[in-house]
Amino acid sequence: AQSVTQPDIHITVSEGASLELRCNYSYGATPYLFWYVQSPGQGLQLLLKYFSGDTLVQGIKGFEAEFKRSQSSFNLRKPSVHWSDAAEYFCAVGAGGNTPLVFGKGTRLSVIA
Amino acid sequence: DGGITQSPKYLFRKEGQNVTLSCEQNLNHDAMYWYRQDPGQGLRLIYYSQIVNDFQKGDIAEGYSVSREKKESFPLTVTSAQKNPTAFYLCASSIEGILDYGYTFGSGTRLTVV
Repeated sequence: AQSVTQPDIHITVSEGASLELRCNYSYGATPYLFWYVQSPGQGLQLLLKYFSGDTLVQGIKGFEAEFKRSQSSFNLRKPSVHWSDAAEYFCAVGAGGNTPLVFGKGTRLSVIA
Repeated sequence: DGGITQSPKYLFRKEGQNVTLSCEQNLNHDAMYWYRQDPGQGLRLIYYSQIVNDFQKGDIAEGYSVSREKKESFPLTVTSAQKNPTAFYLCASSIEGILDYGYTFGSGTRLTVV
C-alpha cells in the first residue's frame, strides 16, 4: 500500500525567500505523484504532477518539484515566495487507473513580511 | 464551465440524525471520491466509485453510506452511527487516462454536530 510523509507540519518563510516543502513516499512500483494547495475553507487545487520522464516538473504559480527515486522524495520548491502563497500544501501518491490517491497530512505555509 | 459542486457549504446536524451531503460533477468523469479532512490529519478516504452502480469502502467507511445511481452524482450520507462526524468533507472526481490522472475537487462541506 502507498503512504506519504510530509515531515514539516508548519513552515514560516519571509516574503521573497525561497521555499522547499518535503514529501517522502512509499510505493513498490513507479509512483504517480502530486502536489495540491488548499486555501482555508476551500477545496484543493492541483499544482503539479509527475508520472514519468523528466524528474523536474514545472507547475502553476511558479512552483516546481523534483522526483528523486533513490530518496523516495518529491519535494516542492519555489524560488521566491509571495504572501499569496500562504496556504496548506498536500503531497499525494497514486497507483494510476483511477485508483484513489493517498495524501500526506499537509504542511501549512505562513509568509511574513 | 465544468466542475464539481458540493452543497451545502455549511451544514449543522443534531446528534442522532442522518444527513446527506451532495456532490455533482459535469466533467463527465468516471470516478468519484469522498474524503474527510480533520485538522492535522490530512485527507482520509471514506468511499469511492469508479463506475455507476458500484462503489468501494475507503479507510474510514464506518458510519457513512453512499450511492452512485448517476455518473454525475455521488451523495454521501453521514449516519447516526458515525461517532464523530464534525469535519470538513471533500468530494473529488477523476477521469481514467494516464495524462489526465489526478483529481478535481469540490469546494467542500463543513459539517458540524450540535
